[in-house]
Amino acid sequence: DIVMTQTPLSLSVTPGQPASISCKSSQSLLHSDGKTYLYWYLQKPGQPPQLLIYEVSNRFSGVPDRFSGSGSGTDFTLKISRVEAEDVGVYYCMQSIQLPYTFGQGTKLEIK
Amino acid sequence: EVQLVESGGGLVQPGGSLRLSCAASGFTFSSYWMSWVRQAPGKGLEWVANIKQDGSEKYYVDSVKGRFTISRDNAKNSLYLQMNSLRAEDTAVYYCARCWYPDYWGQGTLVTVSS
Repeated sequence: DIVMTQTPLSLSVTPGQPASISCKSSQSLLHSDGKTYLYWYLQKPGQPPQLLIYEVSNRFSGVPDRFSGSGSGTDFTLKISRVEAEDVGVYYCMQSIQLPYTFGQGTKLEIK
Repeated sequence: EVQLVESGGGLVQPGGSLRLSCAASGFTFSSYWMSWVRQAPGKGLEWVANIKQDGSEKYYVDSVKGRFTISRDNAKNSLYLQMNSLRAEDTAVYYCARCWYPDYWGQGTLVTVSS
């Protein structure tokens, strides 16, 4: 199975400041079709996860542009340009290039 | 608006069975892969299974192979997860999700396996 490793596991950010989460995969997520199958989700407290970013850098419908994704191969980053109070929750990366699809451990974002 | 509503969760004894259902609306159900993802209490997310649009392909995480069966009824816009030989470690909130990479998620249904 592909192991997804996120760092840090928690971070506390002042509103208006940036935040960054790293996700590393144990194998390349670059498919022969040219796409890279890496996704980012946010699970707000008491809610189901919601898709933020698909295929590394594409924002899903309705996702604010303060969220951005980057990376390639095995190293990926989710950045929040200016954290807002509504961004609290647990962030997960996920790969879907190989079954079983696997998630990172999650990164808990708190507001200072 | 995409809506996914799970049902069928509850308390079951180890070795028992449960069938989860997911009612889909707001999109053309028959055009999408569908998935089940679970989350044990206080833990992270675990992909469980997915199924192709016409049901011809189904995939499972190893820990549920031979015990869980994913199925769908496109005429009823419904997704199912038949869970047999349940174990304590299957205790989790089970989410129904659209697409092979989940884009929309239901609210989840809690399955508790305990004597």
